[in-house]
Amino acid sequence: DAGVTQTPRHEVAEKGQTIILKCEPVSGHNDLFWYRQTKIQGLELLSYFRSKSLMEDGGAFKDRFKAEMLNSSFSTLKIQPTEPKDSAVYLCASSLYSAETLYFGSGTRLTVL
Amino acid sequence: GDSVTQTEGPVTLSEGTSLTVNCSYETKQYPTLFWYVQYPGEGPQLLFKVPKANEKGSSRGFEATYNKEATSFHLQKASVQESDSAVYYCALSDPGTGSNRLTFGKGTKFSLIP
Repeated sequence: DAGVTQTPRHEVAEKGQTIILKCEPVSGHNDLFWYRQTKIQGLELLSYFRSKSLMEDGGAFKDRFKAEMLNSSFSTLKIQPTEPKDSAVYLCASSLYSAETLYFGSGTRLTVL
Repeated sequence: GDSVTQTEGPVTLSEGTSLTVNCSYETKQYPTLFWYVQYPGEGPQLLFKVPKANEKGSSRGFEATYNKEATSFHLQKASVQESDSAVYYCALSDPGTGSNRLTFGKGTKFSLIP
């Protein structure tokens, strides 16, 4: 079975640009999460979907971050406009509604210049 | 809100010595506790989870006991090796909300002394 797929693996953006990160969850999973990973803060939740409905939108990240799930097998995270402080690894994870284990993708490393 | 505090890294040890990564948590609910491991270039993956107090979880030589009274879930391994070099995350869920969201600690990076 395919795991969680994230594209691109690396993204470099200029300050002020709009970037879109993509995620394909494990087939059949109901829950999808976006996390931001930094050395200082660790893993921070950005957004959480259950069966395509937005359940949680991380308060501190509402301003310029927007996650969408147009269908059960694809999600995007848009950052608009990007700032240098957004440089981090963005991780997507999915899980079954009935289970607690999250399955993570390999992440997208974003660098904002 | 929920929080997880774990040993601040990096931790470096000689091969064959024992590793302990401390994890303490705060929550109003009765959570399931997790240890995740992340290798370079990969996303975190589940090491093991423990849903009940006083039970022990284990995998790949690592183990941790869910201590509800002390609100702790310390990770231990008796004899570390090169392949254990990774970042370790302690996490908790919140079953009371019906959500699978996890709250993670900041991670503890472990590597062997060269």
